[in-house]
Amino acid sequence: GESVGLHLPTLSVQEGDNSIINCAYSNSASDYFIWYKQESGKGPQFIIDIRSNMDKRQGQRVTVLLNKTVKHLSLQIAATQPGDSAVYFCAENYDSGGSNYKLTFGKGTLLTVNP
Amino acid sequence: GAGVSQSPSNKVTEKGKDVELRCDPISGHTALYWYRQSLGQGLEFLIYFQGNSAPDKSGLPSDRFSAERTGGSVSTLTIQRTQQEDSAVYLCASSYQASISYEQYFGPGTRLTVT
Repeated sequence: GESVGLHLPTLSVQEGDNSIINCAYSNSASDYFIWYKQESGKGPQFIIDIRSNMDKRQGQRVTVLLNKTVKHLSLQIAATQPGDSAVYFCAENYDSGGSNYKLTFGKGTLLTVNP
Repeated sequence: GAGVSQSPSNKVTEKGKDVELRCDPISGHTALYWYRQSLGQGLEFLIYFQGNSAPDKSGLPSDRFSAERTGGSVSTLTIQRTQQEDSAVYLCASSYQASISYEQYFGPGTRLTVT
């Protein structure tokens, strides 16, 4: 099988700056996407979701953009804070008939916020 | 209220031994999921339970892995004859119902180390 590196992509930003985390998803038929945040020693925590009939969705300090043409998802965090330091995962769902609960996760990006 | 809990938080075992990992989902959640997270990787779906329906075992990597959910609540993931490649964090999640429309809440995970 394909070898996979052990090192996560990393993004280092200064406190107060905006962060953009990118994700390339695999299945052009996927119709639902989620961003999760995972702090050290904890399970993933839901941040924001978006369905394939939307291009953009905003939450509190976060925005998710979906580009279906190039199968790309991004998470924008405004005014990044030290508490935002974590690993961020995108996940996709494709309802193939009876499996609308199954998520496929990306490998994650480590965000480090410098004070 | 209480979130998803998992025990033990850490488990070190010798190669060839069996291990049992426990998950207590959020009360009232009918759907329960197990994932595996290897070092620097995203989450890999293992198995899913929904009420009294037959579980979806499609993600289990080998017949050494099995899981039960007793009484529609607590779940146990068992790994027989552990191998070093089984070393990972095992995460459990639960949701109100088995649909992507319902958020999956994750536990803190069990870190398994096979020596």
